Amino acid sequence: DSGVTQTPKHLITATGQRVTLRCSPRSGDLSVYWYQQSLDQGLQFLIQYYNGEERAKGNILERFSAQQFPDLHSELNLSSLELGDSALYFCASSVAGADYEQYFGPGTRLTVT
Amino acid sequence: TQLLEQSPQFLSIQEGENLTVYCNSSSVFSSLQWYRQEPGEGPVLLVTVVTGGEVKKLKRLTFQFGDARKDSSLHITAAQPGDTGLYLCAGVTSYGKLTFGQGTILTVHP
Repeated sequence: DSGVTQTPKHLITATGQRVTLRCSPRSGDLSVYWYQQSLDQGLQFLIQYYNGEERAKGNILERFSAQQFPDLHSELNLSSLELGDSALYFCASSVAGADYEQYFGPGTRLTVT
Repeated sequence: TQLLEQSPQFLSIQEGENLTVYCNSSSVFSSLQWYRQEPGEGPVLLVTVVTGGEVKKLKRLTFQFGDARKDSSLHITAAQPGDTGLYLCAGVTSYGKLTFGQGTILTVHP
């Protein structure tokens, strides 16, 4: 158990819909990262927040957005969903920046039908 | 775009054999991390290498960071079925992003 929690574990939804994935970091960790893992693209970095502020951006689509709240939990919002958005979405947390050890949550498996 | 290429993509070996996984890039990274991921779970960090030429050992696993900090290797001695999993290398850029390789799926047969 990494100490990072993600909900829900599984999500099945239709194209065009919007979903919200939630992540609670390990106690004391200030950074939260979101990743997308699919069979053809591997593990792709989406976005990082540090203490409520956006710190780094990766290959995140404009249809996706994220935020980190004052209690440090984070949400990833995916809208206008397409079949290609089906993937595993991981959240990770670290004490500070990316060169610190990142602890990954169990992931949310999103299936878009 | 900084790419990390891992090879081989798939590795199927017998228990007791040795193996090496490679991670190469044309870019320099401030540090490089190796993760292991099991089905249905998130990646778990095995090691971080920071200095060019650095070698770190974790029981039967030996990690090396290239002198130029562009490549790395993971060597497993006397592989066991419990080593089966997806091995991922990830480079940390100077501005704090983590770029993952495509991964190596290792299967160790008893």
